[in-house]
Amino acid sequence: AQSVTQLDSQVPVFEEAPVELRCNYSSSVSVYLFWYVQYPNQGLQLLLKYLSGSTLVKGINGFEAEFNKSQTSFHLRKPSVHISDTAEYFCAVSEVPRQLTFGSGTQLTVLP
Amino acid sequence: DARVTQTPRHKVTEMGQEVTMRCQPILGHNTVFWYRQTMMQGLELLAYFRNRAPLDDSGMPKDRFSAEMPDATLATLKIQPSEPRDSAVYFCASGETGIEQFFGPGTRLTVL
Repeated sequence: AQSVTQLDSQVPVFEEAPVELRCNYSSSVSVYLFWYVQYPNQGLQLLLKYLSGSTLVKGINGFEAEFNKSQTSFHLRKPSVHISDTAEYFCAVSEVPRQLTFGSGTQLTVLP
Repeated sequence: DARVTQTPRHKVTEMGQEVTMRCQPILGHNTVFWYRQTMMQGLELLAYFRNRAPLDDSGMPKDRFSAEMPDATLATLKIQPSEPRDSAVYFCASGETGIEQFFGPGTRLTVL
């Protein structure tokens, strides 16, 4: 069965600093991988997705993620964060299209 | 700007009362999902539909929860009778390709 582990529940970082949010998954088959962002009192919004092809995936708001099959990881990165990036970030995996398993989330707090 | 809509956005009710939450998926999307989000459990998939037929509702407590799609523009999630432990944010999501999911803003339910 598929599962997702987000290793950090909280990540504080200063504005304009780089950030990496870690995500590891377990699955016995090929997977699709996603990062979603949730701003306070809002639904989840897709940041980026990996379905196939290039292992480096670029998303919205300057975020990118790299799929590493050997390490079963899909870490999210941004070279320079802004205050507006403060939100909760969810990694998700899908073995079968249409059914996602979400990680527990990482709260990113950008400090001035 | 197509988006998933959910009503009501907030609901406060007393234990034992019936609660109905509604979702309008994005026009043309053939897959609809219901999720529940709590601090303790995170995001949980309750049920999902494809072409209005229920495909999986194993995440849903069967004795009190029911989910339906009376037509392609409306999905409902009903709790009867409601209990305090049902207090959560309930999200609806829809998708066209069956991979990417678009989330609604959620219904925040409080059961007293």
